[in-house]
Amino acid sequence: QQQVKQSPQSLIVQKGGISIINCAYENTAFDYFPWYQQFPGKGPALLIAIRPDVSEKKEGRFTISFNKSAKQFSLHIMDSQPGDSATYFCALARGGYNKLIFGAGTRLAVHP
Amino acid sequence: SQTIHQWPATLVQPVGSPLSLECTVEGTSNPNLYWYRQAAGRGLQLLFYSVGIGQISSEVPQNLSASRPQDRQFILSSKKLLLSDSGFYLCAWRGTGDGYTFGSGTRLTVV
Repeated sequence: QQQVKQSPQSLIVQKGGISIINCAYENTAFDYFPWYQQFPGKGPALLIAIRPDVSEKKEGRFTISFNKSAKQFSLHIMDSQPGDSATYFCALARGGYNKLIFGAGTRLAVHP
Repeated sequence: SQTIHQWPATLVQPVGSPLSLECTVEGTSNPNLYWYRQAAGRGLQLLFYSVGIGQISSEVPQNLSASRPQDRQFILSSKKLLLSDSGFYLCAWRGTGDGYTFGSGTRLTVV
C-alpha cells in the first residue's frame, strides 16, 4: 500500500523559475517529513526536513510548506538553477522511527 | 566524523551466481542500518533494516538476504541472482539524529 504519493513524476523549469514538488500522505501518525536530493549515480542526500508543529521551513532557496489538515507537504525551489537538476524524494516517518518511507521521486531538469 | 563505505561501485553478475555487497560505517556506534534498492527511474524500496548485531528485519519477500555480523557492518547477499535483482543498491545509516546518510551505491547488472 502506497503511503506517500509524490507528484509530478518529472518537471522542467527554466533557470530562475520556481520548482514545486508535492507529496500527500494518508497516515496521520507520521511526524517527520524530509526531502532528499539525488544526483545521477549517487546516493540521496538530506536536503531539508520539517516536523508538523510548523507550517513552513526555509533554508536558502529551499522551502518546505506543510499542510497538516490536508496531509500534504511540498518542496519549493526558488530561483532554480541548472545545478539543481536532480531527482527529489519526499519521505516520512513516525517519531523514534526505524525506517523512512519514500515517495516515488521527481526528476527535475532546470534549463538555462 | 561519520562516514559510510559501500562497495563495489559497479557489478555485473550472471544469472544464478551468488552476491555479496558490503557496507561499513565509521565514526558511530550502534547505528540503524538499511539496504534499499532503486530500480531504473523508480523510487527507493526498503529491503532490510537492522537495529543491532544479528537483528534483521525484512520488508519485502525476495531472493535476497541480509546479515549484520558486526556493529558497523551490514551485508546484502543472494545465493542465486535473478535478472530482476538488477538495480542500484544503497546502504544507509541513521544515528541519534533524524536524517539518513546514504552510501554511494552499487550498480548491479544481472546478465
